[in-house]
Amino acid sequence: EPEVTQTPSHQVTQMGQEVILRCVPISNHLYFYWYRQILGQKVEFLVSFYNNEISEKSEIFDDQFSVERPDGSNFTLKIRSTKLEDSAMYFCASRPRTGERDEQFFGPGTRLTVL
Amino acid sequence: DQQVKQNSPSLSVQEGRISILNCDYTNSMFDYFLWYKKYPAEGPTFLISISSIKDKNEDGRFTVFLNKSAKHLSLHIVPSQPGDSAVYFCALSKTGANNLFFGTGTRLTVIP
Repeated sequence: EPEVTQTPSHQVTQMGQEVILRCVPISNHLYFYWYRQILGQKVEFLVSFYNNEISEKSEIFDDQFSVERPDGSNFTLKIRSTKLEDSAMYFCASRPRTGERDEQFFGPGTRLTVL
Repeated sequence: DQQVKQNSPSLSVQEGRISILNCDYTNSMFDYFLWYKKYPAEGPTFLISISSIKDKNEDGRFTVFLNKSAKHLSLHIVPSQPGDSAVYFCALSKTGANNLFFGTGTRLTVIP
């Protein structure tokens, strides 16, 4: 069964460093998402991406964040200058179709630890 | 953000009995409702959904009920099985948007 994959599973970085989290969505899906979950808190929406551009973003997704689909398979989240409060699980998700309220399929997550 | 709440952080149920997980929301713009299950070290896995035009949707052992007037959503699992032990999240989306608003989760433990 197709699944969303994410790499790395765990990323440790120093405050102020740039990180890139990688995702491979399910191949025929059209919508792509990033969510994060800070330890003990809710899963929070960051950004959605469709047709090679951001379709929605939350207040969390500020200028430090960017997303890219550099080729036909990868979907990346970049944090330019990490802060301690960026430590969280980051989940990528994808959805197959437009115009319908399909469920989103989530990857296993990347645990980001900022020291 | 208090738009979506799951007031029970944990629930223990005997194998074979019914598990009832609850979710409350405040914003009447939500019109599509989903339940996800999450095991440790995995991402959320979709279980079942319901749109605002329905009040019940059933899929095998899982049934979701929606009470729009009370802004309340529930998931019933019957019979409960030990493999159902996980964290359950309700997730809601609004008209015209497709990002999901998650609840805080309820940890279900099914006791053999």
